[in-house]
Amino acid sequence: DVKVTQSSRYLVKRTGEKVFLECVQDMDHENMFWYRQDPGLGLRLIYFSYDVKMKEKGDIPEGYSVSREKKERFSLILESASTNQTSMYLCASSLVNRPQHFGDGTRLSIL
Amino acid sequence: EDQVTQSPEALRLQEGESSSLNCSYTVSGLRGLFWYRQDPGKGPEFLFTLYSAGEEKEKERLKATLTKKESFLHITAPKPEDSATYLCAVQAGRGNNNDMRFGAGTRLTVKP
Repeated sequence: DVKVTQSSRYLVKRTGEKVFLECVQDMDHENMFWYRQDPGLGLRLIYFSYDVKMKEKGDIPEGYSVSREKKERFSLILESASTNQTSMYLCASSLVNRPQHFGDGTRLSIL
Repeated sequence: EDQVTQSPEALRLQEGESSSLNCSYTVSGLRGLFWYRQDPGKGPEFLFTLYSAGEEKEKERLKATLTKKESFLHITAPKPEDSATYLCAVQAGRGNNNDMRFGAGTRLTVKP
């Protein structure tokens, strides 16, 4: 069965901290994605990766970076956390041109 | 710009009361339309993919249909366990599976 695992369900950090969110998939998928989900706004794509060490910006990349050193792992980095980055963060993976499968999300609060 | 609009925002049904959720879209070159179910505190769970107008997919009490401008998720005789937020997403005909736009979702509540 498809499995996307996000390292933390809940995370509380302080303004200005560097924050790492980790995501691992066990399905040998080429594509991996990071979204944030806010009430009334739906899911918005931050970054995605279609191969190891490859990344492309989504709709809202500002204030974020990503790392994909291994095929199964995709990390989202908040370089200097700000309160407007408080959100639910969702990781997904997929084969090329196939449906995306999601993890259960990390609810991040920036104080 | 690609857009996905879901209606209504929220829907309350009695158990057994059938209804439909709407997803209207504008996209250049539709590659696929996806329906997901999301339970509170969980990530979206994939339900269906539709690729061309006229296509229909069914799963238990759910049936998804597609036209050139919109998709419907029909729920027949719903049960309380069907309560969830239903998300629609479209994939445009460019890029490598990256141009996927999500609607804001319809929050469905089914009362016993």
